[in-house]
Amino acid sequence: SQQGEEDPQALSIQEGENATMNCSYKTSINNLQWYRQNSGRGLVHLILIRSNEREKHSGRLRVTLDTSKKSSSLLITASRAADTASYFCATQGGSNFGNEKLTFGTGTRLTIIP
Amino acid sequence: NAGVMQNPRHLVRRRGQEARLRCSPMKGHSHVYWYRQLPEEGLKFMVYLQKENIIDESGMPKERFSAEFPKEGPSILRIQQVVRGDSAAYFCASSPPQVRPQHFGDGTRLSIL
Repeated sequence: SQQGEEDPQALSIQEGENATMNCSYKTSINNLQWYRQNSGRGLVHLILIRSNEREKHSGRLRVTLDTSKKSSSLLITASRAADTASYFCATQGGSNFGNEKLTFGTGTRLTIIP
Repeated sequence: NAGVMQNPRHLVRRRGQEARLRCSPMKGHSHVYWYRQLPEEGLKFMVYLQKENIIDESGMPKERFSAEFPKEGPSILRIQQVVRGDSAAYFCASSPPQVRPQHFGDGTRLSIL
């Protein structure tokens, strides 16, 4: 089974609306990260939240983390057409070292309708 | 400051041939990761390497797949005797020592005829 599972699998909203995506995971983590992937491209890092943090902001992005429920959410406010992409959560687990494998969720495909 | 460079971007092989995928990490990055992505799915970890060392290969299939990151030159992911199921996008990521997050290349799309 997946370490991270996201819902919804697909989301379509009007430009200017807010988009919320959720991610659940199974094991203990050191941090959780969100990445964006445009079609045919690699992943772009958006934001990292550590296990001892509950909320983090970056521009129009807001991420929450609930370690008791093993879940996270990504909120994109005032969406734009350029936000159309797939969004993945990824966990990095256990140790205090920075370099460990990322375990990815299944992704949410976001479509912004102009 | 160039990002992670992967080549080729697209690779077509016939069943039974060998596929070699290359990854040049960002300048100053000594850690390389390989991931595989099947259509409509998330990325799955394959292997984590530092210069001349394999640190974690827990995601690598036991047979036909190998990876290296030599002292000089790019990291190579090698797939021998390819089969149709190897068709996927293979992504490389790199990071500096003890710093998150990872920076990704644009991937190599491998198609097996």
